[in-house]
Amino acid sequence: EVQLVESGGGLVQPGGSLRLSCAASGFNFDDYGMHWVRQAPGKGLEWVSGINWNSGSRDYADSVKGRFTISRDNAKDSLYLEMHSLRAEDTALYYCAKDGSTWNSYYYMAVWGKGTTVTVYS
Amino acid sequence: EIVLTQSPGTLSLSPGERATLSCRASQSVSNRYLAWYQQKFGQAPRLLIYGASSRATGIPDRFSGSGSGTDFTLTISRLEPEDFAVYYCQQYGSSPRTFGQGTKVEIK
Repeated sequence: EVQLVESGGGLVQPGGSLRLSCAASGFNFDDYGMHWVRQAPGKGLEWVSGINWNSGSRDYADSVKGRFTISRDNAKDSLYLEMHSLRAEDTALYYCAKDGSTWNSYYYMAVWGKGTTVTVYS
Repeated sequence: EIVLTQSPGTLSLSPGERATLSCRASQSVSNRYLAWYQQKFGQAPRLLIYGASSRATGIPDRFSGSGSGTDFTLTISRLEPEDFAVYYCQQYGSSPRTFGQGTKVEIK
């Protein structure tokens, strides 16, 4: 069974940093691109970042570009999101998601984790 | 960035009725690279449709997707009680990937 388990969320002050992790199991992790998607309380989905299977291609939403960094460790079947200069508007539930294709990119989200909550407060 | 606009914002229907949800893109979505997701309250989203019209594994055939270019549609042929939820479209034809704002399908 494919499983994605996020961790690392928490409370942080504006300007602070957090590192989210996503542990993957039940599939060949290094065959797939991966995504981070977030959802602010009571709001819709926002794509945050994607990375292809070998980290050769990464992309970010304009809202996080320059502040967030996506990475992966295929040896550990893990995905990460390093977040810096956090703002109140980054408060959200952050989902890790497995891409639906084995093409050399990140397209759509076939499997989702349950998410980890990030709260930026002052 | 491609902006996706979903309509209507809320759809009030009864079980057994047909639901038609629209997703309009600010520019053409290449290769029909559009997906649809369902999200129930308190749950993670679930993939329904990819490539505009291909059903994901395990998705009932009452869900169907169509469209190309800038206009896409998700149709639920006969609403079941478990289909009342929020639906999102997402394009992956260009970077950055983007979602629509969602359509809520509620019980009338």
